[in-house]
Amino acid sequence: QVQLVESGGGVVQPGGSLRLSCAASGFTFRNYGMHWVRQAPGEGLEWVTFIRSDGSNTYYADSVKGRFTISRDNSKNTLYLQMNSLRAEDTAVYYCASDMMTPFDYWGQGALVTVSS
Amino acid sequence: DVVLNQSPLSLPVTLGQPASISCRSSQSLVYSDGNTYLNWFQQRPGQSPRRLIYKVSNRDSGVPDRFTGSGSGTVFTLKISRVEAEDVGVYYCMQATHWPPFTFGPGTKVDIK
Repeated sequence: QVQLVESGGGVVQPGGSLRLSCAASGFTFRNYGMHWVRQAPGEGLEWVTFIRSDGSNTYYADSVKGRFTISRDNSKNTLYLQMNSLRAEDTAVYYCASDMMTPFDYWGQGALVTVSS
Repeated sequence: DVVLNQSPLSLPVTLGQPASISCRSSQSLVYSDGNTYLNWFQQRPGQSPRRLIYKVSNRDSGVPDRFTGSGSGTVFTLKISRVEAEDVGVYYCMQATHWPPFTFGPGTKVDIK
């Protein structure tokens, strides 16, 4: 069955960097686009970024453009989110989600990122 | 950007009774291919979101048939025919027609009276 497992979350100081990973299994990862979505504590869902199946195109929310980079390694079935210049408002649970038949069909369990001094 | 509004934002329901959530879009969600990319998600307390409905009215695998999506253009509805205890959580509509960005509604919290 489809599994998405995020890792790499933690506590980081404002201005710092962190890289999240999302390990995919149960489907042909290289054939499908992937998303990152985040949820601040007690808040709703916010789409962060999307990458096409071959990594040829990437898209970002204005709130993270220029600071976050999405990438993937299809040989390792892994999606990444490099987060730089982190701010307090980036504190959230970050979910990876697949885009197989239609967007956001499967979700991981999430990784908590806390930006605090 | 497309703005999605949901109502109500809080919905106390009685077990076994129906429930209905409305989602209104700031612009038509009909794509050039004729499809309408409006999805519904459920997030139970402490869990990840789970998609229930895609393209307005298509139920995802394993979703009970008491969940029904409907609507067109800018107005959409998620109905639960008979609410069960496991339906407690927050429900989000989301559009994937005009992107980036993909946008979510603010969420409707469903709980038991």
